[in-house]
Amino acid sequence: DTGVSQNPRHKITKRGQNVTFRCDPISEHNRLYWYRQTLGQGPEFLTYFQNEAQLEKSRLLSDRLSAERPKGSFSTLEIQRTEQGDSAMYLCASSRDQGSSPLHFGNGTRLTVT
Amino acid sequence: GDSVTQMEGPVTLSEEAFLTINCTYTATGYPSLFWYVQYPGEGLQLLLKATKADDKGSNKGFEATYRKETTSFHLEKGSVQVSDSAVYFCALSNANTGNQFYFGTGTSLTVIP
Repeated sequence: DTGVSQNPRHKITKRGQNVTFRCDPISEHNRLYWYRQTLGQGPEFLTYFQNEAQLEKSRLLSDRLSAERPKGSFSTLEIQRTEQGDSAMYLCASSRDQGSSPLHFGNGTRLTVT
Repeated sequence: GDSVTQMEGPVTLSEEAFLTINCTYTATGYPSLFWYVQYPGEGLQLLLKATKADDKGSNKGFEATYRKETTSFHLEKGSVQVSDSAVYFCALSNANTGNQFYFGTGTSLTVIP
């Protein structure tokens, strides 16, 4: 169990640029989640995959935010035309495919949009 | 929809004091309940969980009991240490409404020597 790995740890970008983050889940975990966390708040759900299928998306996932998990292993989260409001910590988590399996989180990618 | 309401902080306690952080939830059916902890500069870690009514989750001296009658899952510890200083998040997952997890806003705990 090597844990959930997220890259990069930090990203600073100018408004209007596109950014992509990567998440490598724990290898035997089928479920992969993306969350966003801003200062003083709890994680907000963005989307969830079971294997390569994207089963749920929140309305926070817009035409600018998208996620993929093409082979059911690692996942990418892309933000196009970044805005200052996108500045946040982006968290990835994975879990087993069992009803009450807990989430295992990565350390997150902190995005700062200038 | 499903949601979690968590006691607001910040909370400051002296070492060896008793800790309670309140958490209540709204959900249909029988959700699973969790407490996560986030130490400074680190990711969220599972602290404990309970999957059915009257279950007690425990870890590192922390405990929480799943109370369906009061829809609560309060976190307690009898004697806190400086090393317990962190942000604590209550969360639920509910297979009835998909498998996403809902988190509270977090409670910041500072323990002073």
